[in-house]
Amino acid sequence: AQSVTQLDSHVSVSEGTPVLLRCNYSSSYSPSLFWYVQHPNKGLQLLLKYTSAATLVKGINGFEAEFKKSETSFHLTKPSAHMSDAAEYFCVVSLHYGGSQGNLIFGKGTKLSVKP
Amino acid sequence: DGGITQSPKYLFRKEGQNVTLSCEQNLNHDAMYWYRQDPGQGLRLIYYSQIVNDFQKGDIAEGYSVSREKKESFPLTVTSAQKNPTAFYLCASSYSGGFQETQYFGPGTRLLVL
Repeated sequence: AQSVTQLDSHVSVSEGTPVLLRCNYSSSYSPSLFWYVQHPNKGLQLLLKYTSAATLVKGINGFEAEFKKSETSFHLTKPSAHMSDAAEYFCVVSLHYGGSQGNLIFGKGTKLSVKP
Repeated sequence: DGGITQSPKYLFRKEGQNVTLSCEQNLNHDAMYWYRQDPGQGLRLIYYSQIVNDFQKGDIAEGYSVSREKKESFPLTVTSAQKNPTAFYLCASSYSGGFQETQYFGPGTRLLVL
């Protein structure tokens, strides 16, 4: 069965320092993996996605994630945090039944706080 | 501008009342989805539709109903059978519903029970 675990419910960093948001997944098939960001009372915005091409995926706003099959991880990183990065981040795996339907399984989210 | 719109932004429901949440997209996407978001829970799938006039139950469909009469529209009705409807509801769409497809989300509707 497919599942996704975000290892930290809350991460706090200082502005200008690196960000690391951790995600582990479980999938019987080659997964598609996504990171979405949600600002308060807003919808979700796609940051980046992995679909079996390059293992290092670059996204918007300076974020990137590396797919590591041996560790079943897809951690999100950014070299230098900005105040505007404060939001909730969701790691997502796409179900793949061997057919076409792509239902998403969401992690429970990591809230990122950025201190001045 | 292409995108997904949801209305209203806030919705209040009285006991025993059905309410309908609107979701419209002008992205020409075939697939549409409804999710429920509760604090600390991530998103859970209520219903999805891969094509007009067809839809499937997700993980938590009880107490909800949908229709897909037009490609652009996928309204969600929260019925009186849904005993705990207070949540943030998000609509999404994707080009074809395939497992590698990106889902694009609307701004959400917050439903509150009076």
